[in-house]
Amino acid sequence: GAVVSQHPSWVICKSGTSVKIECRSLDFQATTMFWYRQFPKQSLMLMATSNEGSKATYEQGVEKDKFLINHASLTLSTLTVTSAHPEDSSFYICSARTASFGEQFFGPGTRLTVL
Amino acid sequence: GENVEQHPSTLSVQEGDSAVIKCTYSDSASNYFPWYKQELGKRPQLIIDIRSNVGEKKDQRIAVTLNKTAKHFSLHITETQPEDSAVYFCAANPGGNQFYFGTGTSLTVIP
Repeated sequence: GAVVSQHPSWVICKSGTSVKIECRSLDFQATTMFWYRQFPKQSLMLMATSNEGSKATYEQGVEKDKFLINHASLTLSTLTVTSAHPEDSSFYICSARTASFGEQFFGPGTRLTVL
Repeated sequence: GENVEQHPSTLSVQEGDSAVIKCTYSDSASNYFPWYKQELGKRPQLIIDIRSNVGEKKDQRIAVTLNKTAKHFSLHITETQPEDSAVYFCAANPGGNQFYFGTGTSLTVIP
């Protein structure tokens, strides 16, 4: 199956700093990438959907100025958590989808801890 | 929009028994239903999926059934093994890029 990587896998930062998370599709071109947030023992909450070369579509309640998404190429999307605060601590997972497949391929996730 | 409900939230079975997880959806336009398995701290992995033109699909010990009229679909795991212990998520896709996930079922297989 297709492989999606995420970097970093774990990041700890101080409150007020910004953190960038990268999501890459390694062996396929992802026309669409998704960013999810997952709290412990809870389901995946879709934050935004991004298509290469266009602005991301954010879900209701997700601040687009807080969570900046850039989908610069068919293999790379980035999520930047700006001015992170402890309540932003969570597990962030990206996924990618091509126009050819129905399924999403998930990245391994990034655990963000904001002190 | 689509609303996916998943039951039960937790499920414990003895090794070798069967496990069934059920999901319902609200949008009749949904036509693709994947199931994901997520182990603690790891990524969700697709284990089986079904499209709306099929009523049942089986892959070894795992099967999925779909009832379009009733708008529900179920995951069946037979001869459960301890390594089946994980959180399972169902999802519904009403076309396009929107995937709606269930709330998850934590399955524990007791040796």
